[in-house]
Amino acid sequence: DQQVKQNSPSLSVQEGRISILNCDYTNSMFDYFLWYKKYPAEGPTFLISISSIKDKNEDGRFTVFLNKSAKHLSLHIVPSQPGDSAVYFCAAQRGGKLIFGQGTELSVKP
Amino acid sequence: NAGVTQTPKFRILKIGQSMTLQCAQDMNHNYMYWYRQDPGMGLKLIYYSVGAGITDKGEVPNGYNVSRSTTEYFPLRLELAAPSQTSVYFCASSYSLNSGNTIYFGEGSWLTVV
Repeated sequence: DQQVKQNSPSLSVQEGRISILNCDYTNSMFDYFLWYKKYPAEGPTFLISISSIKDKNEDGRFTVFLNKSAKHLSLHIVPSQPGDSAVYFCAAQRGGKLIFGQGTELSVKP
Repeated sequence: NAGVTQTPKFRILKIGQSMTLQCAQDMNHNYMYWYRQDPGMGLKLIYYSVGAGITDKGEVPNGYNVSRSTTEYFPLRLELAAPSQTSVYFCASSYSLNSGNTIYFGEGSWLTVV
């Protein structure tokens, strides 16, 4: 029972363009949604989060959008940079526990 | 500035052997977690702890045990290792339950069971 799903295993984007990473969830009781970034041989690092009572949160080049009726969130990276190339995990939080999606590998080409 | 420290980084185990993955955090966090990540999959919660002396099961606890005798340490014990436990293991800690941006991860422990 996959409560958090990232249906695109990989995404390739040109440097300077927008990267859009998508995530779907099934449980309407989640309190927060988060995006983590992971480089090879390292642990995940926090990128940006959004409360379930909001529909948008922005931090520099990163914006997360939450559509509660569709149980869908997305991460926009504008402009994309080669250093953004990594695996991005969507996660949903309830009661201190994080449920992760499968991850999307983003490749930003110069 | 250690944060969350995991040892060992790499380990090969034979089927049926036992071992303990060590995890320590120096941020005085109450909450600690063990996750595993299989290829092409997200991180699955194995066990977590909300404070010293308190542990609880996550999504995939079978084959593992944990203990939390102090705030700093949260070791993960594998008894009778099986090939299905080949994975990358991440320990994490957080100060609060309410905002996920305070969850810090270690660098991971790569375990192969042959």
